[in-house]
Order: sequence, then C-alpha cells, then structure tokens
Amino acid sequence: EAGVTQFPSHSVIEKGQTVTLRCDPISGHDNLYWYRRVMGKEIKFLLHFVKESKQDESGMPNNRFLAERTGGTYSTLKVQPAELEDSGVYFCASSVLTLTGELFFGEGSRLTVL
Amino acid sequence: GESVGLHLPTLSVQEGDNSIINCAYSNSASDYFIWYKQESGKGPQFIIDIRSNMDKRQGQRVTVLLNKTVKHLSLQIAATQPGDSAVYFCADTTGANSKLTFGKGITLSVRP
Repeated sequence: EAGVTQFPSHSVIEKGQTVTLRCDPISGHDNLYWYRRVMGKEIKFLLHFVKESKQDESGMPNNRFLAERTGGTYSTLKVQPAELEDSGVYFCASSVLTLTGELFFGEGSRLTVL
Repeated sequence: GESVGLHLPTLSVQEGDNSIINCAYSNSASDYFIWYKQESGKGPQFIIDIRSNMDKRQGQRVTVLLNKTVKHLSLQIAATQPGDSAVYFCADTTGANSKLTFGKGITLSVRP
C-alpha cells in the first residue's frame, strides 16, 4: 500500500512568487494534516482536514497560505506570495478517523525562498 | 502558550549502550503522547505512544515513560544501534484526531 506522498520534494523560488505543494494521503484516510518545520525549530501544526472540510486551521500563519482538499482526497497548500520566512519543510500526514488512529507522515516538501 | 520541549539538543551514545531521551510538555489537558523518529530526508516515523492512563509502555527495544505529575516524557532505547541515529521528536495531543504539539527535536548520534 502506498504511503503519504508529497510533491514536489524540493522547491526553490524567489520572494514574491507562488508555490503549490501537493499531498496525496493514504487511501481511506479521512484525516489530513499539514505541518511545517522551519530550520532548527519544532514541527508546527498548520491545519487539519476531515475529508474535504477544514476542521482546524488555527496554525495557518497568515492569509498568504491557502489549503484545499477537493473531494476529500488529495490536498494542496498554496503560498502566495512567498516570503523568506516561509522557507522550511512542509509535512503532510494522514490517519483514519478513529480514537486510536496512528498518524502517517509523508517525506515532506522542502521549500526554499530566496 | 502551549509547548512541548526537549532538554538537550543532541545526544551521543556508544553503540550497544542504552539511550534515554527526555521531554517536557506543558499542556495538562494532553492525554496522548507519541515519540517520532526522523531520518535524514524522510518524514517523522511513529515509534511508540502512550496514553495518559498509563505510566509505562514497552515496545521492541523501546520504552516510553510518562510522569504526569511533572509533565515529563522519556524514551528509552535499549542496546542502541547505528540505525537508531536520527532526530527524535516527542509530541502530545488532547485527542487522537486532534493536532499534535511537537518538541524541537533531539539528534541521537551513535558512536561505533
């Protein structure tokens, strides 16, 4: 069974440009999460989808970030316009909707804003 | 605000020795705690978890201890191997479907 897949693995853009990250969760996983790790710091929560609905988006830093999960399948995270402080590794994770659902992480998308 | 932190940024151990990685959390409402291992270029990988109604849980070569009184979590790795070299994160949450709060991560380096 395929795990959580993320694309691209690495993106280098200039400040002011737009980048869209994609996450394909494990099939059947209703929970989908986005996290971000800025260099040397902890992994921080961004938002949580349950199917196609945003359950919790309290971690989204500002309105330059837009996440969608069309049809409750894959999800995209768009950063527009990108700033230097957006650089980091963006992780996607998914789990089944149960009381003891283990969270499975993708390998991350590294974003470098120059 | 809420935070889960680690006491040391790096830990170097001799192969074959036991490793102990410590973590403090601040949210008294957290009831589920997890340790993750992250190898270079990969995403965090689940190691072991523990619920707040337990003090200790054992897995294969790993043990997690939870002290709710002082809000402390530890990961013990027995007979540490080179393959254990990675960054280890503790995380806590108030529910299985809720967001995780991660610590900064500690790098475990295993000396041959």
